[in-house]
Order: sequence, then C-alpha cells, then structure tokens
Amino acid sequence: GAGVSQSPSNKVTEKGKDVELRCDPISGHTALYWYRQSLGQGLEFLIYFQGNSAPDKSGLPSDRFSAERTGGSVSTLTIQRTQQEDSAVYLCASSTSGANVLTFGAGSRLTVL
Amino acid sequence: GNSVTQMEGPVTLSEEAFLTINCTYTATGYPSLFWYVQYPGEGLQLLLKATKADDKGSNKGFEATYRKETTSFHLEKGSVQVSDSAVYFCALSSQGAQKLVFGQGTRLTINP
Repeated sequence: GAGVSQSPSNKVTEKGKDVELRCDPISGHTALYWYRQSLGQGLEFLIYFQGNSAPDKSGLPSDRFSAERTGGSVSTLTIQRTQQEDSAVYLCASSTSGANVLTFGAGSRLTVL
Repeated sequence: GNSVTQMEGPVTLSEEAFLTINCTYTATGYPSLFWYVQYPGEGLQLLLKATKADDKGSNKGFEATYRKETTSFHLEKGSVQVSDSAVYFCALSSQGAQKLVFGQGTRLTINP
C-alpha cells in the first residue's frame, strides 16, 4: 500500500477483555515495529520484526502482550486481560531494513475503562 | 543503555520567532540521530537526520547539527509558522541496533 495502515483507529474496551490491533506495512518493507505512546510519555518500543528472523520482543511490558507477523507482511498486536494502564496510542512503523527511516501509521488509540 | 533527553514542553511562540528545541543523547559508539514530527491527527514522519559527527540535517527550514563533543542534536528554525505547530521527537539509532530510541517529545504551538 501507499502507507502504513492501522486498524482500528479507536478502540474502547472494558478492563479484562482481550484486544487485537492490526498493522499493514508498506509493501516490500521487511522491518516492522510496534511502539506505544502514552499521554505525556515518549514513544516506548515494544517489538521489532525483521524478515524471517526471530522478533526482538525486549520491549513488551508483560506476558499479556504478544505480536505476530504473518507471511512477512501484516502484523497483529494482542493484549490479553487489558488493564487501565494499557490505555495509549499504539503505533506501527515499517522500513526497508533496520532502524533508519521509519514510516509510521496513524496509530490505534486504545482506551481501557 | 541508549537514551534521548529533550527539553520539556509545551513550547509556545509567536509566528516568525526563532525556535530551538534541545536534544541530548547517551549512546555507545556512533549513533545516527533523527528528528521526527507529528502534526495534529497525523502519524509521525521523519523531519531530518544526521548519521555522523558534524553532519547537519535540514528540511522545511529546520536544521540540526550532530555535535559529538556535547552529545547534542538541537533542532532550530529561524522563523516559525503557525503550520509548524506539532509534537517533535528526537531519536537515535545506535550502531548495529535495529530500533529507534525516542525522547519524550516536545509539543510546539505557534500563535499568529
């Protein structure tokens, strides 16, 4: 596609529910990143996929968070048993390789009530 | 570990004022440095970058010089416009690393 597409753009859920956030990167971009942007905070790295290599999961805040990337393209970030502190904007980005120039999506705003 | 520290916002200026947003970093080796901008309702986009010491990145009238001696990458613009209102993020990518480390962001508001 022309840009990085994320869905849903907004998600309101109740505490304890599971949510899935989707990212469709730019075609041909081998690297895909998830970041979290909380109110008043910077961008927090969550996870990084590069081609067929094992993902870098070092930023995932707890085992309630997981992500997968199918076929080297679309990625899904799953948050299980959501908590209020999970409320944030979840940003996906892709690049041709490595951490040089990232193209970001518009984000998915998650609100946990 | 690697980290980026930006001046705290929000910053409010009048149109045509001079802008400086400070950014300092901690990193091993020779990182690449970036400024990303997030306009209201839009995703982050790269504003400028510098990949080695003394390099100057520039775009849309903004400039930043990679200063290794002071570990800084301050963003400057000589005359800001209302359309420059946005959140600005300083970031680094260290050698061999595959992810960007971001600062906390600085919200800039330009009044006419």
